[in-house]
Amino acid sequence: GAVVSQHPSRVICKSGTSVKIECRSLDFQATTMFWYRQFPKQSLMLMATSNEGSKATYEQGVEKDKFLINHASLTLSTLTVTSAHPEDSSFYICSARAWRDEKLFFGSGTQLSVL
Amino acid sequence: GESVGLHLPTLSVQEGDNSIINCAYSNSASDYFIWYKQESGKGPQFIIDIRSNMDKRQGQRVTVLLNKTVKHLSLQIAATQPGDSAVYFCAENRKGSQGNLIFGKGTKLSVKP
Repeated sequence: GAVVSQHPSRVICKSGTSVKIECRSLDFQATTMFWYRQFPKQSLMLMATSNEGSKATYEQGVEKDKFLINHASLTLSTLTVTSAHPEDSSFYICSARAWRDEKLFFGSGTQLSVL
Repeated sequence: GESVGLHLPTLSVQEGDNSIINCAYSNSASDYFIWYKQESGKGPQFIIDIRSNMDKRQGQRVTVLLNKTVKHLSLQIAATQPGDSAVYFCAENRKGSQGNLIFGKGTKLSVKP
């Protein structure tokens, strides 16, 4: 299957700092990428959808200025958590989809811990 | 909607037995469904998918059944192994959406050796 690489896998930061998470499709061109958030023992919650070269579409309740998403190329999307606070601590997962392919392939996730 | 529960439903089976994990989906307009397996601290891993024009699909040791009348999806795992222990999520793709999946609440499968 297709490979999606997510980096870093774990990050610990101080409150008020910004953290960038990268998501790369390694062997296919990802026209659409999705960012999910997952709390312990809960399901994945979609945060935003990004299409290459255009602005991301955010789900209701997700702050655009807080979670900056950039999808500048067909193989890379980034999520920046700006001015992180302890309540932003969570497991963030990206996924990618190729053109006209319904299957989503997921990255390995990033555990963010904000102190 | 957001899942608020603190505890995932758990299914405990003996190694070698068959497992059946159930999922109810919400939208009759959904036309594509996927089962994912998620191990602790990792991203979801694709297991098997099925389109709404089918009611059964088989893979290696896994079978997905779709009942559109009652909006129910199930995943059957044959001869369950300890390596199958994980959380299993069903996901639905709503027709006309950008392909973003809506995930169910998940079921934790524990396999006893």
